[in-house]
Amino acid sequence: EAGVAQSPRYKIIEKRQSVAFWCNPISGHATLYWYQQILGQGPKLLIQFQNNGVVDDSQLPKDRFSAERLKGVDSTLKIQPAKLEDSAVYLCASSLARPGLEREQFFGPGTRLTVL
Amino acid sequence: AQSVTQLGSHVSVSEGALVLLRCNYSSSVPPYLFWYVQYPNQGLQLLLKYTTGATLVKGINGFEAEFKKSETSFHLTKPSAHMSDAAEYFCAVSASGGSYIPTFGRGTSLIVHP
Repeated sequence: EAGVAQSPRYKIIEKRQSVAFWCNPISGHATLYWYQQILGQGPKLLIQFQNNGVVDDSQLPKDRFSAERLKGVDSTLKIQPAKLEDSAVYLCASSLARPGLEREQFFGPGTRLTVL
Repeated sequence: AQSVTQLGSHVSVSEGALVLLRCNYSSSVPPYLFWYVQYPNQGLQLLLKYTTGATLVKGINGFEAEFKKSETSFHLTKPSAHMSDAAEYFCAVSASGGSYIPTFGRGTSLIVHP
């Protein structure tokens, strides 16, 4: 079974530039999550999708961050414009939407973003 | 509301020694508890989880954790450390009802000396 795929793995940009990250979840996983992991901290949820609908985006800085999952499969997270404090690893995770299994999240390798 | 405290940002052990990584949580409802491992430049991998039932939970790679409600703890142990155990370990808590989004601790880096 293929895992969660993310690209690119690394990205370096200058502040005020824009950047996009892509995630393809495990086949059949209806729920998709984007997390931000700042160095020295645990992952923090940015947004959760179920199929192509947003379940929770309360922690997403909507003035600069946006995310979509148009066809309910892969997803894109965008930052525009980037700030220095956005330097972090962006993790994508997915899970089944079945009761009892929704808490078991499978994580991708992440995208390490450096904003200069 | 829920939170996780991992005591010690770094733990150093010798190969073959006992591994003990501490995790304390707070939760207003019965918790589900998790330990994840993160190897360099990789995503998080689930080691083990506690939902209900037996309080001693066994996971992959010889790790286990015990849920102690009276101490609000979920410490991770392994009897004998291996060099390949060197990684970052995260404890996480989610509510047993309602939102199941986990809250992660800050992580503990396990260093294994030969």
